[in-house]
Amino acid sequence: QSSLAQPASVSGSLGQSVTIPCTGSYNDVGNYDLVSWYQQSPGKAPKLIIFDVIERPSGVSLRFSGSKSANTASLTISGLQADDEALYFCCSYTGSRTSYWVFGGGTQLTVL
Amino acid sequence: QVQLVQSEAEVKKPGASLKVSCMTSGYRFVAHSIHWVRLAPRDGPEWMGMIDPDSGDINYSQKFQGRLSLTRDTSTNTVFLHLSGLTVDDTAMYYCARFRGHYGPFDSWGQGTLVTVSS
Repeated sequence: QSSLAQPASVSGSLGQSVTIPCTGSYNDVGNYDLVSWYQQSPGKAPKLIIFDVIERPSGVSLRFSGSKSANTASLTISGLQADDEALYFCCSYTGSRTSYWVFGGGTQLTVL
Repeated sequence: QVQLVQSEAEVKKPGASLKVSCMTSGYRFVAHSIHWVRLAPRDGPEWMGMIDPDSGDINYSQKFQGRLSLTRDTSTNTVFLHLSGLTVDDTAMYYCARFRGHYGPFDSWGQGTLVTVSS
């Protein structure tokens, strides 16, 4: 069972926007601005798309944006394109010696 | 460019041990820690542990303490995962990932190694 909660699936039409929430606790998402998001297409390695809550790595489309409010981080994808269809998962630092990093269960995005 | 290339898929019996390699290239090996994350069929990604190739410092998730060992070979820029006492619940895709800076993120990932544990 994942420590961060994500919906199993979301969908949106081409050109629309979708938002994927990632809910943790004060011990992780709420206490650290160290949330990252990864995109994984079938058969491929995960790809970093957002880090430190809101930052985009070089080369990642401006259509991807991140935010955080209290214990919930969110990934918004605007202007949906067909190749955005993938698995998206979030990750947060916890500072806990039990496990320094925790992940969400992943959200499958379907582009209609 | 940065590359992390993992060893091939493995099929193991319960109780056996596993060794997965992660060969890195395209950057200074000792400048970035390497972390291991696994994705099981029914669960989300799970952080397993990390190794600092420079100092050899290691941190393991408490869940894997006692049966996980991470090592590195600085002559080949390779990190190894050793997992003992395998059960069917260890069936998963195992990934190594390069860590950027002191607090991440995981900015480059290996292609994954599928491990199947079955009697």
